[in-house]
Amino acid sequence: QQPVQSPQAVILREGEDAVINCSSSKALYSVHWYRQKHGEAPVFLMILLKGGEQKGHDKISASFNEKKQQSSLYLTASQLSYSGTYFCGTVSYGGATNKLIFGTGTLLAVQP
Amino acid sequence: NAGVTQTPKFQVLKTGQSMTLQCAQDMNHEYMSWYRQDPGMGLRLIHYSVGAGITDQGEVPNGYNVSRSTTEDFPLRLLSAAPSQTSVYFCASSDRYTYEQYFGPGTRLTVT
Repeated sequence: QQPVQSPQAVILREGEDAVINCSSSKALYSVHWYRQKHGEAPVFLMILLKGGEQKGHDKISASFNEKKQQSSLYLTASQLSYSGTYFCGTVSYGGATNKLIFGTGTLLAVQP
Repeated sequence: NAGVTQTPKFQVLKTGQSMTLQCAQDMNHEYMSWYRQDPGMGLRLIHYSVGAGITDQGEVPNGYNVSRSTTEDFPLRLLSAAPSQTSVYFCASSDRYTYEQYFGPGTRLTVT
């Protein structure tokens, strides 16, 4: 079953912040975040492996609450280059580590 | 390094025809996967492999076959194409230590 992402879409002005949530009904081993620009392949942002882990990538960071089976992606001081569709991907306990199940995506549009 | 390559880039098939989508990687990655991407559905896992000779089904395997005779190649076969298989197909590879998936540029398939 696909993880659920929210919101489905968000529009920001440059410099504003956004949070994208990812929720699963299964116990998770890891959560992955990818960004896809229109007409291109998805590109890896980060992976979170431990409960409560937080990671950062420039002004993009993420948290993983293993107990709640949830992850959130935080985009601070957004830039035009952040526009795209963001996908979370989850790996469940007991599965192969490349059995990555993606959510349906969150479309982020950053306007000047 | 070429990374992950996919051929063809575009393909039009008639219902009932068969074809093979090619995927190759030159990063010596053990793990490879096939996804399809449809509007509003995100990326859905078709088949995946954790090494040469080992493959397994993902979320939407019906109508597709895979084999992995070498580490580098992971072809996807459509046995009898149907309009419901119209989609963009992505191949991805990763290694067992970093889990980051590298995606190929995709194949846009239309079945009429």
